[in-house]
Amino acid sequence: EAGVTQSPTHLIKTRGQQATLRCSPISGHTSVYWYQQALGLGLQFLLWYDEGEERNRGNFPPRFSGRQFPNYSSELNVNALELEDSALYLCASSRWVTNEKLFFGSGTQLSVL
Amino acid sequence: DQQVKQNSPSLSVQEGRISILNCDYTNSMFDYFLWYKKYPAEGPTFLISISSIKDKNEDGRFTVFLNKSAKHLSLHIVPSQPGDSAVYFCAAPLPSGSARQLTFGSGTQLTVLP
Repeated sequence: EAGVTQSPTHLIKTRGQQATLRCSPISGHTSVYWYQQALGLGLQFLLWYDEGEERNRGNFPPRFSGRQFPNYSSELNVNALELEDSALYLCASSRWVTNEKLFFGSGTQLSVL
Repeated sequence: DQQVKQNSPSLSVQEGRISILNCDYTNSMFDYFLWYKKYPAEGPTFLISISSIKDKNEDGRFTVFLNKSAKHLSLHIVPSQPGDSAVYFCAAPLPSGSARQLTFGSGTQLTVLP
């Protein structure tokens, strides 16, 4: 069974540009979560999508947005990139089951120059 | 405001000895806790969990202890092996969100020395 896949692995952008990160969940998982791990910090919750809808978002500005497609894959878009957006962005998926654990992808390392 | 805290950024242990990783939390509404392990260039993987109705959960070499009165949990690895060298995160589901909307600690880098 394929795990959560993310692309690209690395992404280099300059300040002010837009970045698009992609995630494919495990087959059968309907929920997709996005987390940001900045250097030296823990994983910060960004966004949660389920059945194509945004269910909740963390304490991030509106320039962080995304969507979930009918096949449950997801995109994270970061507009007007700032230097502090440089981080590892992790996607995770799960089934809609109480206390079901998250399965993470390997992440996209975004570098903003 | 970090609701789950790991105050030790790093820990070094000799192979075969016990590793103890600590985690404190501030929200008394948390009722479920998880530990994840992360190797470089990989996503975190689930290790072990504990419900607040228990004070101990064991899975092979890994045991998690929960002290609700102190709002403290710890992960014990016995015996430690070099392959256990990784970053360990404790996490808890946010009570107001999805059960999988986890809040994570900042992680502890465990190094097991051969």
